[in-house]
Amino acid sequence: AQSVSQHNHHVILSEAASLELGCNYSYGGTVNLFWYVQYPGQHLQLLLKYFSGDPLVKGIKGFEAEFIKSKFSFNLRKPSVQWSDTAEYFCAVRNRDDKIIFGKGTRLHILP
Amino acid sequence: DGGITQSPKYLFRKEGQNVTLSCEQNLNHDAMYWYRQDPGQGLRLIYYSQIVNDFQKGDIAEGYSVSREKKESFPLTVTSAQKNPTAFYLCATEDRGSEAFFGQGTRLTVV
Repeated sequence: AQSVSQHNHHVILSEAASLELGCNYSYGGTVNLFWYVQYPGQHLQLLLKYFSGDPLVKGIKGFEAEFIKSKFSFNLRKPSVQWSDTAEYFCAVRNRDDKIIFGKGTRLHILP
Repeated sequence: DGGITQSPKYLFRKEGQNVTLSCEQNLNHDAMYWYRQDPGQGLRLIYYSQIVNDFQKGDIAEGYSVSREKKESFPLTVTSAQKNPTAFYLCATEDRGSEAFFGQGTRLTVV
């Protein structure tokens, strides 16, 4: 079965620290990749997505992610986090069956 | 106002009862999904539908049923066969080949 692994379940950082959240997927074919964010009390919203082209994609709120095909990875990064980035982050993959599979999420807590 | 409407926002169910969660969309998207969100488990796929009158089981379909009689609607029934139904349920839609859009969710509690 296809799967998505997020390595960090809970991350705590201070404001202005750099962020990298890991995501690996198991499918070796063509994939579409996504990062979603869920702020406290809000619905899931898209941060960024990769379908094709430049493997370094930029999203909203200063986030970016890099698709490394050889490593089956799609890590999320942000150079300097803010307190408002406190949220849960989900990596997702659309696989060959055309359904979207999510990872277990990473809870990010930013200390002011 | 375009979007995805899930109702109700909160739902309480007695053990042994079936309950139906509503999901309606006016985005004209072909695909619709139901996910279950539990702490530490992420989003797990229950059912999905790529087109009207067709749907497929996801990873945790046991104890759930769906229908897709209209493009706009994809109701989820949580049956008494679901042993641990207390969870947050999310409906999503997808315009073919694009990303998923989510509703606000329904929190189901078994009492």
